[in-house]
Amino acid sequence: QQQVKQSPQSLIVQKGGISIINCAYENTAFDYFPWYQQFPGKGPALLIAIRPDVSEKKEGRFTISFNKSAKQFSLHIMDSQPGDSATYFCAASSNIRSGAGSYQLTFGKGTKLSVIP
Amino acid sequence: EPEVTQTPSHQVTQMGQEVILRCVPISNHLYFYWYRQILGQKVEFLVSFYNNEISEKSEIFDDQFSVERPDGSNFTLKIRSTKLEDSAMYFCASRSGTENEKLFFGSGTQLSVL
Repeated sequence: QQQVKQSPQSLIVQKGGISIINCAYENTAFDYFPWYQQFPGKGPALLIAIRPDVSEKKEGRFTISFNKSAKQFSLHIMDSQPGDSATYFCAASSNIRSGAGSYQLTFGKGTKLSVIP
Repeated sequence: EPEVTQTPSHQVTQMGQEVILRCVPISNHLYFYWYRQILGQKVEFLVSFYNNEISEKSEIFDDQFSVERPDGSNFTLKIRSTKLEDSAMYFCASRSGTENEKLFFGSGTQLSVL
């Protein structure tokens, strides 16, 4: 029940295209859904995050779409650039609103995105 | 932007040896974490630490693991007797604990157990 399933495992997109990565979860207690970007040799860096009280959040070229009833969320990267080539992880956590010390992020397995010129 | 600093970047050890991985969280942060990533696998939660005690730990974090905040700046992960399967990238992370729930990750320590 704690799993977050992510697809696809790898993705190749032409420069200027739209990259779409999907995630699904089972635990209805999850109330925070971040996406992390990881470059080789670096730690994950927060890209964008959403709470379940909204269905979409947009920051620049990055958009999260959230479907609470389907327990799915996705990352859309518009106008994909070669510099976006990285591994993207979706994640989920619960009890964020309580501000409790525990902040156990459950990660998906990651999607390796390659944007080709 | 402030950074979480981890040392060393690479650590090679023999099976059965003790290792200590070191982290300097962002200075005004109150919550500290260790995650690990086995090569090609997802990032996995190990432990969270707040107010000088463990607030949550995963099944991975067994008696061979311990964490400590020995002073006001460092946060360490100790593995008492390393096993081959402990080989992974270990990430330290911290967050401020205010309304911003953003988690900052360090660049990681690649642990290789031979």
